[in-house]
Amino acid sequence: NAGVMQNPRHLVRRRGQEARLRCSPMKGHSHVYWYRQLPEEGLKFMVYLQKENIIDESGMPKERFSAEFPKEGPSILRIQQVVRGDSAAYFCASSLYTDTQYFGPGTRLTVL
Amino acid sequence: SQQGEEDPQALSIQEGENATMNCSYKTSINNLQWYRQNSGRGLVHLILIRSNEREKHSGRLRVTLDTSKKSSSLLITASRAADTASYFCATDGKGAQKLVFGQGTRLTINP
Repeated sequence: NAGVMQNPRHLVRRRGQEARLRCSPMKGHSHVYWYRQLPEEGLKFMVYLQKENIIDESGMPKERFSAEFPKEGPSILRIQQVVRGDSAAYFCASSLYTDTQYFGPGTRLTVL
Repeated sequence: SQQGEEDPQALSIQEGENATMNCSYKTSINNLQWYRQNSGRGLVHLILIRSNEREKHSGRLRVTLDTSKKSSSLLITASRAADTASYFCATDGKGAQKLVFGQGTRLTINP
């Protein structure tokens, strides 16, 4: 059973470009979570989704950030018009129910 | 905020010694989980302890939970060089699935 998969693992963007981060949950998991980690810090919750629904987006910045988890395909975290402050590691997690969350390897976004 | 805080922020011990890390949180929880993160890598789930549990073991790991003090501890016995990593506690509150992480403890095991 493959774990949570994220791609790309590393992403470099120039200021103003768009970044798309993908997450495929563990097989059978319908709960997906996105977190952001700045250097030397813990993870900060961004958004919680189930298939086709955003359940909790209380950690998402109001502008430029969006997330989706379509009926088919991976969950996508989209950042429009990236700025240097968006540089971070973005982690996706999935769970079968609402208990143990299993994390992917992360996408490290660098904004030049 | 329900933010967890780990103590100490950094811990350096000799191989074979025991390592104890503590975590405190602020509000009522459903579960408390401990994760390990090697430098530049993803998080590995170590153990989950529910709010109605007081102690849990998994191999060389022992986790305790004191809900009256809103604190937890992670004990790693007979440490190995491969245990060198950052350790995070994470809590989820009643009615909310999001995890709230502490700042982590950076553990270094010296050979």
